[in-house]
Amino acid sequence: RKEVEQDPGPFNVPEGATVAFNCTYSNSASQSFFWYRQDCRKEPKLLMSVYSSGNEDGRFTAQLNRASQYISLLIRDSKLSDSATYLCVVNQGGKLIFGQGTELSVKP
Amino acid sequence: DTAVSQTPKYLVTQMGNDKSIKCEQNLGHDTMYWYKQDSKKFLKIMFSYNNKELIINETVPNRFSPKSPDKAHLNLHINSLELGDSAVYFCASSQDPPRQKEETQYFGPGTRLLVL
Repeated sequence: RKEVEQDPGPFNVPEGATVAFNCTYSNSASQSFFWYRQDCRKEPKLLMSVYSSGNEDGRFTAQLNRASQYISLLIRDSKLSDSATYLCVVNQGGKLIFGQGTELSVKP
Repeated sequence: DTAVSQTPKYLVTQMGNDKSIKCEQNLGHDTMYWYKQDSKKFLKIMFSYNNKELIINETVPNRFSPKSPDKAHLNLHINSLELGDSAVYFCASSQDPPRQKEETQYFGPGTRLLVL
């Protein structure tokens, strides 16, 4: 079983759609959680941290369920510029463990 | 004013050669990393240095040797390159050591290595 597993992609959605990404992690001792974004042929960049209470940043909402070892990212009102690969990332003992990523393509 | 820079951006070489990739960060961070992203897009940590001291060393062939001359630089030397070494190598840095919970890592643009 992979340490961090994400929804397989790609997700193809129209502009304005709401899209949700799911992620599960295997190590219950994981300390902190993030979503990174990676554009095609570019480096990963931090999108947002994920807290147990849930957190929101504009159109983006992240949720963490420690009991289920589950992380989610919700994007509302998708823009063309949201097209990228979204990486679920877990801090395990000081190492960032990356999921394979879910590709999102937002179409006009 | 690039935060984390890597050279070269592209590297095409023959099997068996030895090559180096250089990384520099001007963020004043104490910790630097090397990651490998393979053809299936999995991004995996290889090494981490904190103030020039090796703190993470994953199961990486000893043909890979990182060197940190100072805390702003972390270079990666690869001996006897193999076909399977073809990947994108990302350097990253963070302010705090990896065990700090909320540390954010900043990635360089990547070095695309192709071994023929």
